[in-house]
Amino acid sequence: GAVVSQHPSWVICKSGTSVKIECRSLDFQATTMFWYRQFPKQSLMLMATSNEGSKATYEQGVEKDKFLINHASLTLSTLTVTSAHPEDSSFYICSARDITRAKGYNQPQHFGDGTRLSIL
Amino acid sequence: TQLLEQSPQFLSIQEGENLTVYCNSSSVFSSLQWYRQEPGEGPVLLVTVVTGGEVKKLKRLTFQFGDARKDSSLHITAAQTGDTGLYLCAGVRPYLTDSWGKLQFGAGTQVVVTP
Repeated sequence: GAVVSQHPSWVICKSGTSVKIECRSLDFQATTMFWYRQFPKQSLMLMATSNEGSKATYEQGVEKDKFLINHASLTLSTLTVTSAHPEDSSFYICSARDITRAKGYNQPQHFGDGTRLSIL
Repeated sequence: TQLLEQSPQFLSIQEGENLTVYCNSSSVFSSLQWYRQEPGEGPVLLVTVVTGGEVKKLKRLTFQFGDARKDSSLHITAAQTGDTGLYLCAGVRPYLTDSWGKLQFGAGTQVVVTP
């Protein structure tokens, strides 16, 4: 089945550093990937849509200069949390839309295993 | 406020019992997906329903999409401890409606099945 790989799975770093998270679709091409944030015992909150070859589109309230997204190939999107602070600590999850499995926008999204980010 | 209202928020049952999780909205969705998420992991897709009135079965899990494509339910028969997890419904709004193409998630239902 479709697999999305996310790396790293867990990162701890000091306040002020930048952290890069990778999201790869392993057996399908993904022109669109999504980045979510999840707080404990809560649902997923969409942060941004990553589009291959073009700029990402951000949800309202998400700082694009804080969360840099690059989608340089059909199988890789990266999220960089710049100058991270403790309030950025969270569980970040990416997903990729498999356009081969269905028509239109009913294509299933497959999720990575998430990245636990802890900023000290 | 969330576009998809999921209920109940928490459900604790014993092994062998049945349970139903509901996902309701006042908006129409072109499709609806159900996921299960374990702690520290990403959501895993269980099923996608597309047609109003559609019923899909996955072993002991039965998924239903409302006739008007505004609601869905997940029913688990004879629950097992391995069914424990956070169940999330997520819908895709129709083409050219607000937020089309993006998954709208419900708040989730935490299911705990005890031996």
